[in-house]
Amino acid sequence: AQKVTQAQTEISVVEKEDVTLDCVYETRDTTYYLFWYKQPPSGELVFLIRRNSFDEQNEISGRYSWNFQKSTSSFNFTITASQVVDSAVYFCALSPRGGGGGADGLTFGKGTHLIIQP
Amino acid sequence: DVKVTQSSRYLVKRTGEKVFLECVQDMDHENMFWYRQDPGLGLRLIYFSYDVKMKEKGDIPEGYSVSREKKERFSLILESASTNQTSMYLCASSLRRRDEKLFFGSGTQLSVL
Repeated sequence: AQKVTQAQTEISVVEKEDVTLDCVYETRDTTYYLFWYKQPPSGELVFLIRRNSFDEQNEISGRYSWNFQKSTSSFNFTITASQVVDSAVYFCALSPRGGGGGADGLTFGKGTHLIIQP
Repeated sequence: DVKVTQSSRYLVKRTGEKVFLECVQDMDHENMFWYRQDPGLGLRLIYFSYDVKMKEKGDIPEGYSVSREKKERFSLILESASTNQTSMYLCASSLRRRDEKLFFGSGTQLSVL
């Protein structure tokens, strides 16, 4: 069975600080996808990124960047110069390529609650 | 943009009632999902459907059933609501494969008294 661990339950930083959210995963699949989703206070989860297990290049999108390290089974998410609007719960997720049924399908971590203080 | 709409944002029901949670998506997605979100437990998959009239159990299907009579609509049914089903329920959809990104609704906060 696969597993996603987000060890940080809650992180609080002051605006403009950089912050990294950790995600560690376990899977027996050789091909898989990793995701990050953001859940603002409004409740609707919003897709941020999907990364193929074959592609270990880091990705940057504005103030957001993702570091995928297959050797340590980690897919960490960094927000540079954080803003109050970044306050949300962030979920890391893992799916075998092609998906799968039941418990072997998409697996979410428990989420990290990020609080950005003005 | 894909829109996933859940019929109610907040719902209060009594123990033993039959509860219907409705979800509609407007972009012809094949896959639809129902998740439950609880503090400290994250998101847990209840059921998903990959086609009309098709369904598969997720991680926690007990106490729930689903219906997908039309492609755009996926209903979650609590046959006899219990207090331990008080939770946030999230509906999601994906285009064709389960490993594609999910589009989520805003959620229904269900309280069972």
